[in-house]
Amino acid sequence: DSGVTQTPKHLITATGQRVTLRCSPRSGDLSVYWYQQSLDQGLQFLIQYYNGEERAKGNILERFSAQQFPDLHSELNLSSLELGDSALYFCASSPRADSSYNEQFFGPGTRLTVL
Amino acid sequence: QKEVEQDPGPLSVPEGAIVSLNCTYSNSAFQYFMWYRQYSRKGPELLMYTYSSGNKEDGRFTAQVDKSSKYISLFIRDSQPSDSATYLCASSRGGSGGSNYKLTFGKGTLLTVNP
Repeated sequence: DSGVTQTPKHLITATGQRVTLRCSPRSGDLSVYWYQQSLDQGLQFLIQYYNGEERAKGNILERFSAQQFPDLHSELNLSSLELGDSALYFCASSPRADSSYNEQFFGPGTRLTVL
Repeated sequence: QKEVEQDPGPLSVPEGAIVSLNCTYSNSAFQYFMWYRQYSRKGPELLMYTYSSGNKEDGRFTAQVDKSSKYISLFIRDSQPSDSATYLCASSRGGSGGSNYKLTFGKGTLLTVNP
């Protein structure tokens, strides 16, 4: 158990809908990262937050947005869902953002199925 | 061309075999190289990380990085059925700030160790 929690574990929804995925980082970790894992693209970085502020953006679609709250939990919002958004969504956390290397601890993921 | 390329396998070996998993990368700015293990329906967990070129050993696992050829390897000695999982290589630029912590993953190699 990495200490990172994600809810829900599974989500089934229809095209055009909007969903919110939630992540609670390990106690004391200030950085949160979101990744998407699909069969064809593999695991891809979406976005990083550090202590409430956006730090880096990756291959995140404009239909997707995220935020990190004062209690450090983070939410990933996916809207106007398409079939191709079906994937595993992972959250990871790490302690800081001011050292050369930060080990990222991954949560168990949320499996999103868009029908 | 993806920044990190990994032979997807799958790879099937008998128990006790030596396993070699490999990746190549194209971004010369990458300084940190990681191997993650992902069991089915679980989040990735860090096995080892290496900074720059060189070898690192941890029990039955050895990670090698050759920056001159942009080649990353993981060797597993005396492989066990419990090693059956998907192995993901990842790289990052390292250093504080911006997107230096984002991980760029290979697509993963599915390994099965048969008793």
